[in-house]
Amino acid sequence: DAKTTQPPSMDCAEGRAANLPCNHSTISGNEYVYWYRQIHSQGPQYIIHGLKNNETNEMASLIITEDRKSSTLILPHATLRDTAVYYCIVRVDNAGGTSYGKLTFGQGTILTVHP
Amino acid sequence: DAGVIQSPRHEVTEMGQEVTLRCKPISGHNSLFWYRQTMMRGLELLIYFNNNVPIDDSGMPEDRFSAKMPNASFSTLKIQPSEPRDSAVYFCASSLRPTLSETQYFGPGTRLLVL
Repeated sequence: DAKTTQPPSMDCAEGRAANLPCNHSTISGNEYVYWYRQIHSQGPQYIIHGLKNNETNEMASLIITEDRKSSTLILPHATLRDTAVYYCIVRVDNAGGTSYGKLTFGQGTILTVHP
Repeated sequence: DAGVIQSPRHEVTEMGQEVTLRCKPISGHNSLFWYRQTMMRGLELLIYFNNNVPIDDSGMPEDRFSAKMPNASFSTLKIQPSEPRDSAVYFCASSLRPTLSETQYFGPGTRLLVL
């Protein structure tokens, strides 16, 4: 699986957009980009995933560069409750093969949202 | 749905004692994962079940650790004998299918302290 690189920490003002970058320069064509987050003392929570197109859901937007070597998770209007560790994970999704949804978590980015 | 249920939420035991952690996955989910989280090693996968069958136990640290899934609604992770270095937060997660496109839903975790 491709390795990901994330900044160890970031700050954001409440109400502003939080843009969390992730580098995955060794990503291959069949690997998806996934984002999970972990709020203190809770289990990780799925946010969003994508392959090559930009994706948006009720929680966030995912922007993947055209060469797919990096991506950005965008929380459009950060709140204090978005303070968490954000994990960017790259993994093959081989629905027809023997692979499975093994998630390999790195150190993530600690996002702190300030009032 | 109640989500993934884990028990106990907290466990304090003495070195050498047997510890049993329990997990009830979300109803209808066919895949179950056990993770361990420590400050030093982060979040790491221990074992994965699909349709109650262990598929990948390569993350189980040693023979002191064992996991079972006797039916679709219950799994246990046992440590015998426990050691102080086993102190960690243990998460159980489940997903509908084993492919990564399916979201993994995490439980609240069991915080284990081995004295």
